[in-house]
Amino acid sequence: QVQLQESGPGLVKPSQTLSLTCTVSGGSISSGSYYWSWIRQPAGKGLEWIGRIYTSGSTNYNPSLKSRVTISVDTSKNQFSLKLSSVTAADTAVYYCARVRGTVGPFDPWGQGTLVTVSS
Amino acid sequence: SYVLTQPPSVSVAPGKTARITCGGNNIGSKSVHWYQQKPGQAPVLVIYYDSDRPSGIPERFSGSNSGNTATLTISRVEAGDEADYYCQVWDSSSDHPRVFGGGTKLTVL
Repeated sequence: QVQLQESGPGLVKPSQTLSLTCTVSGGSISSGSYYWSWIRQPAGKGLEWIGRIYTSGSTNYNPSLKSRVTISVDTSKNQFSLKLSSVTAADTAVYYCARVRGTVGPFDPWGQGTLVTVSS
Repeated sequence: SYVLTQPPSVSVAPGKTARITCGGNNIGSKSVHWYQQKPGQAPVLVIYYDSDRPSGIPERFSGSNSGNTATLTISRVEAGDEADYYCQVWDSSSDHPRVFGGGTKLTVL
């Protein structure tokens, strides 16, 4: 059974770059027609999709974040990563990684999430 | 961009049926997925492709989708069903393909 686990710094200074990694276990990140996605959730608010990557490297990003976001994949490590530049307090949130089945499939499974706080 | 509208809250007594709606323009032509999120936990998929149920999700959870409204129905509601519920579609008409609804807080009275 595939499991996902986020990792990275829990505190990032304003204007710096937030970097997170999602490690996939229980299956190969390259197998099947899956996209790998990042979603975030500010405290007390709803879910916001950040972007997704296919194992070929093709990406789609939320237009509201597109200028600051880079998602990449490392198939040798069975990981994919998120970089969000020029962060502000508004980027403070729980960040989740998730697998997406196909082009229009559901997010399943999800990682447990990691809280990233932007503060000096 | 495509907008999904959910009621902020729904309340139901134990043993009764809860219906959570998700409104969107011609949503019946899209595949709708539903997630349950309990406090401090990651979302969990409860319904996918409108009405399919993942293994491990009780049969009490069901979904439908037609016209401009998709509905998540929870029968014989239990206290443990109290959670936030989110609908989600992929909108292929734009470069912003994903949409989440704003979420509905289900309260079990």
